[in-house]
Amino acid sequence: KAGVTQTPRYLIKTRGQQVTLSCSPISGHRSVSWYQQTPGQGLQFLFEYFSETQRNKGNFPGRFSGRQFSNSRSEMNVSTLELGDSALYLCASSATSGGAQETQYFGPGTRLLVL
Amino acid sequence: AQKVTQAQTEISVVEKEDVTLDCVYETRDTTYYLFWYKQPPSGELVFLIRRNSFDEQNEISGRYSWNFQKSTSSFNFTITASQVVDSAVYFCALRAGGGGADGLTFGKGTHLIIQP
Repeated sequence: KAGVTQTPRYLIKTRGQQVTLSCSPISGHRSVSWYQQTPGQGLQFLFEYFSETQRNKGNFPGRFSGRQFSNSRSEMNVSTLELGDSALYLCASSATSGGAQETQYFGPGTRLLVL
Repeated sequence: AQKVTQAQTEISVVEKEDVTLDCVYETRDTTYYLFWYKQPPSGELVFLIRRNSFDEQNEISGRYSWNFQKSTSSFNFTITASQVVDSAVYFCALRAGGGGADGLTFGKGTHLIIQP
């Protein structure tokens, strides 16, 4: 079974631009979560989607948004990019409703550099 | 709010030595789940183990073992006879609550270096 895939793997943008990252979960998985990893803040939860609905959201500004499609694929968007948005963005999928007991399986990440 | 502390920022040992990675957590929930992930240089987080708050049995999987103690809020991870391929950053994580749970709360990670 293929794992979680994320595209693109690397991205360079300039301040003020916007970016869209894509995530395809493991086949059959219905919940997708996004995390941001930076050297300073570590791994931080962005949001979680299940059945095309956002279930939870971390403490990030409104510039960070996401959505999930009927095939469980997910996209996240960051508008008006800032230098501090440079990070590794990780997507994770879990089998069902995303409850605390669900194990999340991570993709390889998208490394975003904002200049 | 949840919190996970991995006090060891970096550990360096020689191959074949045993090494223990510490993890201490804080939560007010009585039902919670603890996880360990491994992050090699490629960046992908690899799932290692999940433990629920009601199961304090230690677990052994090959060279890996985990010691969960609710009394000290710790969930430590030991690698026996370490190998160079074990070199990675290891993260301990916590998730609490029911169906509306927030995402995983991660520790800062321990960078494990196994020298040949």
